[in-house]
Amino acid sequence: DIQLTQSPSFLSASVGDRVTITCRASQGIDSYLAWYQQKPGKAPKLLIYAASTLQSGVPSRFSGSGSGTEFTLTISSLQPEDFASYYCQQLNSYPYTFGQGTKLESK
Amino acid sequence: EVKLVESGGGLVQPGGSLRLSCAASGFTFDDYAMHWVRRAPGKGLEWVSGISWSSGGIGYADSVTGRFAISRDNAKNSLYLQMNSLRVEDTALYYCARDRLSRSWDAFDIWGQGTMVTVSS
Repeated sequence: DIQLTQSPSFLSASVGDRVTITCRASQGIDSYLAWYQQKPGKAPKLLIYAASTLQSGVPSRFSGSGSGTEFTLTISSLQPEDFASYYCQQLNSYPYTFGQGTKLESK
Repeated sequence: EVKLVESGGGLVQPGGSLRLSCAASGFTFDDYAMHWVRRAPGKGLEWVSGISWSSGGIGYADSVTGRFAISRDNAKNSLYLQMNSLRVEDTALYYCARDRLSRSWDAFDIWGQGTMVTVSS
């Protein structure tokens, strides 16, 4: 099975900050990676698919990059509504797996 | 409106069984692969199982293989998860989710609100 390791697990930041979250795969997954945001009491929301393509309706301050085994999610200028948990997911092969998550908190 | 609504969760004793359902509306259900994803209390997301649009391709997480069975009824626009030999560690909010692209394997763009499964004696 493909393991995904996200870092950091917790991140404290302020509105306006640039934030980067990293996701490393235990083996190459090409660009079969997605990023999700989840807020308390809500279902996950797709942000990025195919490693770097922004899902329709997602603000352009979100961006994704990488291929193979190393990927990043960047928020260029943090907004109040961005404080949430973020997960990467590999879609290269079954069983699909998620990273352990990154909780983004207000400093 | 594209919508997924889960049902069937509840309290069950260890070793028991439960069947979850997901009712889909607002899109051509038999064109899309579907999945179950869960989130245990205080934990992250875990993909549980997925099924192709025609039921020809099915996959499971290692943690549920041999105990859970995914199925779908395209005539009823419904997805199911039969859960047997339930364990305390299966306690979680179970989401149903849809692939972004039709007749392909892709990220999950539509999610239900979830149904809670609690396994406890």
